[in-house]
Amino acid sequence: VLTQSPGTLSLSPGERATLSCRASQSITSSYLAWYQQKPGQAPRLLIYGASSRAAGIPDRFSGSGSGSDFTLTISRLEPEDFAVYYCQQYGSSLWTFGQGTKVEI
Amino acid sequence: EVQLVESGGGLVQPGGSLRLSCAASAFTLSDFDVNWVRQAPGKGLEWVSHISSSSSGIYYADSVKGRFTISRDNAKNSLYLQMNSLRAEDTAVYYCATGNSYFYHMGVWGKGTTVTVSS
Repeated sequence: VLTQSPGTLSLSPGERATLSCRASQSITSSYLAWYQQKPGQAPRLLIYGASSRAAGIPDRFSGSGSGSDFTLTISRLEPEDFAVYYCQQYGSSLWTFGQGTKVEI
Repeated sequence: EVQLVESGGGLVQPGGSLRLSCAASAFTLSDFDVNWVRQAPGKGLEWVSHISSSSSGIYYADSVKGRFTISRDNAKNSLYLQMNSLRAEDTAVYYCATGNSYFYHMGVWGKGTTVTVSS
C-alpha cells in the first residue's frame, strides 16, 4: 500500500512543494514513479526510478527517497503545476498507485 | 507524434461485456509491455492489467481477475482488454499505457475511453 500526504497542498506560485509517498513496506527504489494529472487529461510521467526525470520534464521537479519513504519536490511552483500527483510502485507482479495529492492554488 | 489511442468504451448493463482496444501510432507497440489503468469518476488511478511485449507475462488486479482478459496482436500494433461480467464498480475511464521492463513505470499514456456500467 502506498500512502500519499498531504491529501491537499495549498500553495502559491513560486513556492516550494514537498509531496510524500510512504510504502507499507520497503520497496525497490528503481520501481517508484511519480505522475502528474490535470483535470480531463491522462496522467503524465514525471519521475521514474525514484529520482530520474522523464523526457521533457523541467528540472524544478525532483524525486528522492529510499526504502519506504519517497518525496516529490517542485522547487518553484509554476501556474501549470497545479494538479494532482500520484506515486506508483511495482512489486510481486502488481502495480500500485497512491491515492494522490492535489496541489492547489 | 508518439501516441496511444483507446477505443471501445460505452454504456453496458451489469453482467454485460465490452472489448477495449488500444492502438499505437508513430511507434511499434510490440516493442513494449503495456498496462491498462482505470480511474473511476472523481477517484484515483487503479492498475488493472499488464501484458509483456511477447505476451509471456500477463497479470491482473484482484478486482478484475477471472473477468477481464488482456491480449495483444503485434501484427496489428494493437492491444485489447476483454471485459466480461461487468459491474457498476467497473465504471471508469480506462487508459492504456506503455510499460517499462526495467523500472516498471508507465511512459506513454492514451487519452482514455469511458466505460459506464449501468442499467
